[in-house]
Amino acid sequence: GAVVSQHPSRVICKSGTSVKIECRSLDFQATTMFWYRQFPKQSLMLMATSNEGSKATYEQGVEKDKFLINHASLTLSTLTVTSAHPEDSSFYICSAKIAGGAREFGPGTRLTVL
Amino acid sequence: AQKITQTQPGMFVQEKEAVTLDCTYDTSDPSYGLFWYKQPSSGEMIFLIYQGSYDQQNATEGRYSLNFQKARKSANLVISASQLGDSAMYFCAMRGGSNDYKLSFGAGTTVTVRA
Repeated sequence: GAVVSQHPSRVICKSGTSVKIECRSLDFQATTMFWYRQFPKQSLMLMATSNEGSKATYEQGVEKDKFLINHASLTLSTLTVTSAHPEDSSFYICSAKIAGGAREFGPGTRLTVL
Repeated sequence: AQKITQTQPGMFVQEKEAVTLDCTYDTSDPSYGLFWYKQPSSGEMIFLIYQGSYDQQNATEGRYSLNFQKARKSANLVISASQLGDSAMYFCAMRGGSNDYKLSFGAGTTVTVRA
């Protein structure tokens, strides 16, 4: 079946640094990927839609200069949290659209900003 | 605009019993899809079941069944013969329209299975 991986699974960084999270489709091509953020005990909130070869589409209220998304190939999308602050600490999950309209999710990345 | 509502923040169920998780939705799109996902404490999102708006029959996948009542705009998940491993957060989600690939999620329901 379709598999999506994320790296790293956990990251701890100092305030003001940038963190890059990778989302890869391992055995299929993903022209569209989605990035979600989830705070503890809350739902998944869509941040942006990442399209291969074009600019990402951000949801209302999400700072595109803060959360840089690059989808340079059919198997890789990256989310870079720039100048991270403690309030950016969260669980970030990517998802890829697969055949039939279903979605495959990555295992998530837990970001802690000190 | 689409909206997914899960009104049960938490539920307890006895092992081997069935549990129903409520989900209502609101959309003006005639074509949409409804999903249920399980999220254990590890954080991974596990796909459970899918129901298309034009599907005539309720979806079933093993111990999971979806009680789809289109007129009432509800898509409740029924887990039969609960197991301890079913303890997790459960999310209802909707994809709206034939060209809208985004998934909107409900607030989630935490299920705790008791031995």
